Amino acid sequence: SSELTQDPAVSVALGQTVRMTCQGDSLRSYYASWYQQKPGQAPVLVMYGKDNRPSGIPARFSGSISGNTASLTITGAQAEDEADYYCNSWDTSDKHPLFGGGTKVTVL
Amino acid sequence: QVTLKESGPVLVKPTETLTLTCTVSGFSLSNARMGVSWIRQPPGKALEWLAHIFSNAEKSYSTSLKSRLTISKDLSKSQVVLTITNLDPLDTATYFCARIVRATYPFPANFDSWGQGTLVAVSS
Repeated sequence: SSELTQDPAVSVALGQTVRMTCQGDSLRSYYASWYQQKPGQAPVLVMYGKDNRPSGIPARFSGSISGNTASLTITGAQAEDEADYYCNSWDTSDKHPLFGGGTKVTVL
Repeated sequence: QVTLKESGPVLVKPTETLTLTCTVSGFSLSNARMGVSWIRQPPGKALEWLAHIFSNAEKSYSTSLKSRLTISKDLSKSQVVLTITNLDPLDTATYFCARIVRATYPFPANFDSWGQGTLVAVSS
């Protein structure tokens, strides 16, 4: 089966830009989706495909993909963006969804 | 408005079977593009996809847990049920159900609505 690898943690100063990545062979075939999870809450879809934001997600969130790496960027990070972020894609060998290990984003 | 709500026991003993129910509203379990997935999260750890079921009864299971999982649905009650057999303390987790929406390649299916989750502890 495939794996998606994320950096465990990143930090960003308030108002600055942070980029988090997700690497895996499945990303050569499928795009990624990204989920934001705050403590004690369910995940929320914040990005899908190359750069598609669901309704209600701020424009400071953007996505991209190149080769086997997908990225989620927050431009002008806000205090409320502090959360865990999980990437998700499709396991091309086992034919089912796949999650990364998550990145904890701290806004300083 | 799409809602999903998980229900089930809070505490289960090792070796027992866990039955979790997801009750949905705001969409139909007969919709060809939409299904329901179960996803779990051990305390302090990452999300783990477990299983999903679509309207045509297409089912898929986590490769590592396949032998222990069964997913089914009851259209009349708008419910999706997951059973996990032979529980172990390592199965202690918050269990989420989520709506999974099919997408056109190369977009993967994604989870656009989630329940609040239910915490299940496995302990004697």
